[in-house]
Amino acid sequence: QVQLVQSGPELKKPGASVKVSCKASGYPFNNYGLTWLRQAPGQGPEWMGWISTFNDNRNFAQNLQGRVTLTTDPSTNTAYMELRNLQSDDTAVYYCARDWGPIDHWGQGTLVTVSS
Amino acid sequence: EIVMTQSPATLSLSPGERATLTCRASQTVSSSLAWYQQRPGQAPRLLIYGADIRATGVPARFTGSGSGTEFTLTISSLQSEDFAVYYCHQYYDWPRTLGRGTKVDIK
Repeated sequence: QVQLVQSGPELKKPGASVKVSCKASGYPFNNYGLTWLRQAPGQGPEWMGWISTFNDNRNFAQNLQGRVTLTTDPSTNTAYMELRNLQSDDTAVYYCARDWGPIDHWGQGTLVTVSS
Repeated sequence: EIVMTQSPATLSLSPGERATLTCRASQTVSSSLAWYQQRPGQAPRLLIYGADIRATGVPARFTGSGSGTEFTLTISSLQSEDFAVYYCHQYYDWPRTLGRGTKVDIK
């Protein structure tokens, strides 16, 4: 079955960076894009960006462009999201999700807490 | 970017009642519209895509409709497991955007 397994929770100080991994299994990795979203406490999901696993094309949310990097490693069916210069309002659960337009499978989420 | 506006923010209903949730797009998204359900502590779950196509395993009581800028999710008879938050999502244009959600809670 389709699974997206994310790395564990992170505690970071303001100004630091975080890198979250997402290992996909149960489907051909190169056949679907991967979207990253985040959800702050009590808020709805916020779309962050998307990467094609076929040709590495990317699209980003305007408010995050320049601070976020999306990469993939097809040899291990793993995607990565790096967010730099973390601030307290980046505290959220970060999700990777399989994307073919609609998003049909989600990772379990990774809690990133930014606190001094 | 396309702004997705959901209404109402909260819908208080009893089990067995009909729920009607609305999503409006600031410009056309054609039929590139999905609905998700999120229960507390869980990741969202895809319910509807293509505005009116139920995802695999989604009960028939969930119906999506609309096109262009106006969309509706109807739950014909609320079951206990349906009390949750629902989000719409447009995948017509970049950047993708989601609405802020409608919480369906027990009256």
